[in-house]
Amino acid sequence: NAGVTQTPKFQVLKTGQSMTLQCAQDMNHNSMYWYRQDPGMGLRLIYYSASEGTTDKGEVPNGYNVSRLNKREFSLRLESAAPSQTSVYFCASRQTGSVDGYTFGSGTRLTVV
Amino acid sequence: KNEVEQSPQNLTAQEGEFITINCSYSVGISALHWLQQHPGGGIVSLFMLSSGKKKHGRLIATINIQEKHSSLHITASHPRDSAVYICAVNAGKSTFGDGTTLTVKP
Repeated sequence: NAGVTQTPKFQVLKTGQSMTLQCAQDMNHNSMYWYRQDPGMGLRLIYYSASEGTTDKGEVPNGYNVSRLNKREFSLRLESAAPSQTSVYFCASRQTGSVDGYTFGSGTRLTVV
Repeated sequence: KNEVEQSPQNLTAQEGEFITINCSYSVGISALHWLQQHPGGGIVSLFMLSSGKKKHGRLIATINIQEKHSSLHITASHPRDSAVYICAVNAGKSTFGDGTTLTVKP
C-alpha cells in the first residue's frame, strides 16, 4: 500500500545510546517532516525537508539530526538519547502546492530509561 | 502564545448531535489542515484548505482568511467519530494546534 513507512514501531534505549529512526514514502512527495508527540500535547516539529538535499530546523531540534538520503527517505538520529526524548515520533510527507494534505506514518514509540 | 489555538480542548456529545471545532491562528498562512488522530494513535489528513469550504461525507471544513479562523463541523455525529481533531497551518513551516478531544456517546 502507498504511504509512509516508519521503523521501528517500538524502541527502548538506555540514556546515552544512539539510534536512527527510518522513514520512507513512496508517493513521490517533495516535503518530509519529523514530529514528536508527548502525552497530552500537540505535535511539535523537530526537522523538516522541503526537498531532496535540504533540511531545516523546526520547533524542537535540539538533540536530533536528520538526513534526507534521497527523495523517498528521511531519517532522524538521536546521537545520545536522554529521558526527555521519550515520546512518540511521527514522520509525515506531503507534496507542497498540491491539494492533498499530509500522509503520516504509524509512529515510533520511544522510551529512554 | 501558540500560533494555532483550538477550542474547545475537550468535547463530549451525544450520538446524532452537530459538532463544531474551532481553530484560530495568528500568522499568515498558505494553507490550513484538519487532521484526525484515532485512539490507537494513527493520524489521517481530513482536509487541506486555503479558502472557502470543503465537504467530505458528514465532515465540513470552512476557513475565513480575513478573520484567521477555521471550523470543522461534523453532522449526525457517531461514536466512531470519537478521536482527537488537530488543526495545522503552513506558514513557512507547519505549526499544529494542541488538538480537540471529541467523545461521542451512543
